[in-house]
Amino acid sequence: GAVVSQHPSWVICKSGTSVKIECRSLDFQATTMFWYRQFPKQSLMLMATSNEGSKATYEQGVEKDKFLINHASLTLSTLTVTSAHPEDSSFYICSATPTRDPYEQYFGPGTRLTVT
Amino acid sequence: ILNVEQSPQSLHVQEGDSTNFTCSFPSSNFYALHWYRWETAKSPEALFVMTLNGDEKKKGRISATLNTKEGYSYLYIKGSQPEDSATYLCAPPGKVEMRFGAGTRLTVKP
Repeated sequence: GAVVSQHPSWVICKSGTSVKIECRSLDFQATTMFWYRQFPKQSLMLMATSNEGSKATYEQGVEKDKFLINHASLTLSTLTVTSAHPEDSSFYICSATPTRDPYEQYFGPGTRLTVT
Repeated sequence: ILNVEQSPQSLHVQEGDSTNFTCSFPSSNFYALHWYRWETAKSPEALFVMTLNGDEKKKGRISATLNTKEGYSYLYIKGSQPEDSATYLCAPPGKVEMRFGAGTRLTVKP
């Protein structure tokens, strides 16, 4: 089956630093990847849609200069949380849609970010 | 942005009870509806992709139906077990992007 990996699975960083999270589709090409964030006691919220070779599309209320998304290849998208603050501490999860099957979407295992 | 509503927000049932919950969505421009089982801080588990009006899909004790004309999908769980406790998310119709509803939090008491 299709596998999506995320790295790291958890990270602790100091306030003011930047953190990069990678999302990889291991056995399929994904023209489109998505980034989600879980707020406490809430559902998964779509942050942005990442398209290979073009700029990401951000949801309303998501700061594009703070959450930098790069989709440099058909198997890799990265999310960089810049100048992280404690309120950025959250569970971030990515998903990827196979180029060959736009009906499907496969999720990564998620990344737990803690900003101290 | 398409709005999706899930009801109820939470549900508590006894082991062995059957239960169902609803995902409501705008019926225009329907493409596909996804159901997921999700536990906090874990990756969502795909249950069903519903694409055609009248679709009925089943996976073990869980089944789902779809009515695109009236804009709703039902998820049924027969004979609930404690391990069914989770949040069940639906994602509204969209060609590519997936914006989840708030989910229905199911708790099954032994």
